[in-house]
Amino acid sequence: QSVLTQPPSVSGAPGQRVTISCTGSSSNIGAGYDVHWYQQLPGTAPKLLISETINRPSGVPDRFSGSKSGTSASLAIAGLQAEDEADYYCQSYDSSLRGVFGGGTKLTVL
Amino acid sequence: EVQLVQSGAEVKKPGESLKISCKGSGYSFTNYWIGWVRQMPGKGLEWMGIIYPGDSDTRYSPSFQGQVTISADRSTSTAYLQWSSLKASDTAMYYCARHSVAGTYNYGMDVWGQGTTVTVSS
Repeated sequence: QSVLTQPPSVSGAPGQRVTISCTGSSSNIGAGYDVHWYQQLPGTAPKLLISETINRPSGVPDRFSGSKSGTSASLAIAGLQAEDEADYYCQSYDSSLRGVFGGGTKLTVL
Repeated sequence: EVQLVQSGAEVKKPGESLKISCKGSGYSFTNYWIGWVRQMPGKGLEWMGIIYPGDSDTRYSPSFQGQVTISADRSTSTAYLQWSSLKASDTAMYYCARHSVAGTYNYGMDVWGQGTTVTVSS
């Protein structure tokens, strides 16, 4: 059972917009800690997609965006493309400053 | 180029010890926190712990405290993850990753090693 809760799977057709939620608690996201998002393509190491809740590292398309409200955060992917099919993980910190990951969400592009 | 290169795959027996490595290059190794992440077969990512090579300040997840040891050698720009007595349940892929801003780990991990597969089987 992960500290941060993500839906196991989401899907969408090419060109559509999908969102992935990440629900925490008052001990982590709700305490004001930033949320980071990672994309993991099959058989590869994770890649930083969104840092500090809303910031895209250099090279990440602006189709990817992050947001946060209360004890939850979201990753939105607009204009879905076949190459977006991957696992997505949120990550934050708890009040003891230890990292926590979400359980991961598998995105399927129909 | 900033990169982290991890040591190769390991096959061990239960009860054996193991130390895997993560060598940084292309940046000031001592100034960036390095984290270790476990991924068991077919499962998600787990935050194990982090180390600041500058002074070896180390933080562990409660789930991994006492189960592994994280260390770093500034002279060789290498971080380590070690076990004193492996279990079959330690079978996993282990990644090291650098936190993206010097001196703090509140930011995302922007550079990842390629991963080290550890298989523990009798």
